[in-house]
Amino acid sequence: EAQVTQNPRYLITVTGKKLTVTCSQNMNHEYMSWYRQDPGLGLRQIYYSMNVEVTDKGDVPEGYKVSRKEKRNFPLILESPSPNQTSLYFCASSFLGGSSYNEQFFGPGTRLTVL
Amino acid sequence: AQSVTQLGSHVSVSEGALVLLRCNYSSSVPPYLFWYVQYPNQGLQLLLKYTTGATLVKGINGFEAEFKKSETSFHLTKPSAHMSDAAEYFCAVSESDSWGKFQFGAGTQVVVTP
Repeated sequence: EAQVTQNPRYLITVTGKKLTVTCSQNMNHEYMSWYRQDPGLGLRQIYYSMNVEVTDKGDVPEGYKVSRKEKRNFPLILESPSPNQTSLYFCASSFLGGSSYNEQFFGPGTRLTVL
Repeated sequence: AQSVTQLGSHVSVSEGALVLLRCNYSSSVPPYLFWYVQYPNQGLQLLLKYTTGATLVKGINGFEAEFKKSETSFHLTKPSAHMSDAAEYFCAVSESDSWGKFQFGAGTQVVVTP
């Protein structure tokens, strides 16, 4: 089954404790992206990647890191989480060409709480 | 820089009535426009998209949207609401010369009443 998976789905942590949220897709998509969703603000893009070793900042990259060492994986790293990073996080992926151009497939989300 | 405004954070419609969700965008170059739907406790699913060509775009579940450049709008409609249309809807824009960056609207929560 074609899908984007995220782990963990739920995470409660404390300020300053490094964490990684994993994202993996099995559709051979070149493009992957991370978003956070907050009430009243919609989705805001954190980072995106056009291919392996190619990443770029979205609108809200502060406090986050990403890496793209393999095509299928795009982990989101919070080196020192703070309470304002409490949010619902989505990973998405897409082809860069063909009829599916621009159609992003979203993962199920990771709900992160930073105390 | 691109941006998206969705008018109305909550919309209530009667079953069988017209659904109209409004989206206005700003973009310095030709935009790519999208509507996504989010059901409770799920990720987003693409309803439809406009890239080039025909300005009236048909999507899944009976939804359609029309790109109006003069009005910088991309409103979403469905002639007859169904109970299963209750969800949150997001409009999004990507600029044709900087593909990869996306801006989403704040979302519109649709409630369908019997």
